Amino acid sequence: KAGVTQTPRYLIKTRGQQVTLSCSPISGHRSVSWYQQTPGQGLQFLFEYFSETQRNKGNFPGRFSGRQFSNSRSEMNVSTLELGDSALYLCASQTGQEYNEQFFGPGTRLTVL
Amino acid sequence: DQQVKQNSPSLSVQEGRISILNCDYTNSMFDYFLWYKKYPAEGPTFLISISSIKDKNEDGRFTVFLNKSAKHLSLHIVPSQPGDSAVYFCAASARGGTSYGKLTFGQGTILTVHP
Repeated sequence: KAGVTQTPRYLIKTRGQQVTLSCSPISGHRSVSWYQQTPGQGLQFLFEYFSETQRNKGNFPGRFSGRQFSNSRSEMNVSTLELGDSALYLCASQTGQEYNEQFFGPGTRLTVL
Repeated sequence: DQQVKQNSPSLSVQEGRISILNCDYTNSMFDYFLWYKKYPAEGPTFLISISSIKDKNEDGRFTVFLNKSAKHLSLHIVPSQPGDSAVYFCAASARGGTSYGKLTFGQGTILTVHP
């Protein structure tokens, strides 16, 4: 079974631009969660999508948004990029039922200049 | 307010010995706990989990212990191998509502296993 894939793996943007990151979950998994990892804040939850609906959202500004498609693939978008948005963005998939492990993709390394 | 804490930033162990990684939590709503291993520039890899109805779970060389009264869990790796050298994250989740799909992570512990 193929794992979670994320594209692109690396991205360099400048302040003020916007970026879209993509995540394809494990086949059969309907839930996708997104996390931001930075040296100072660690792994922080952004949001979770299940069956094309956002079920949960972390404490991030509205510049961070996402969506999920009918095939469970998910995208996240960051608008008006700031230097502090430089981070590793991780997506994780799970079946969507409670108490299932989340399986992570390799991440997208975003650098904002 | 950090709800999941790993107070040891690093741990160094000799190959073949036991590695014990610790984690404390403050949120009494957490009832499912997981350990992940992470290498640089890769996503976390799931290792083992435990629900709050248990106090121990084993999988090969990995055992997780949960002490609910102390709000403490630990991961034991026996015997430790050089390939175990990585960052280990403890994570916790709660049921439903505002907890859907959300894992709360500790800050991680860097484990180094010396040959």
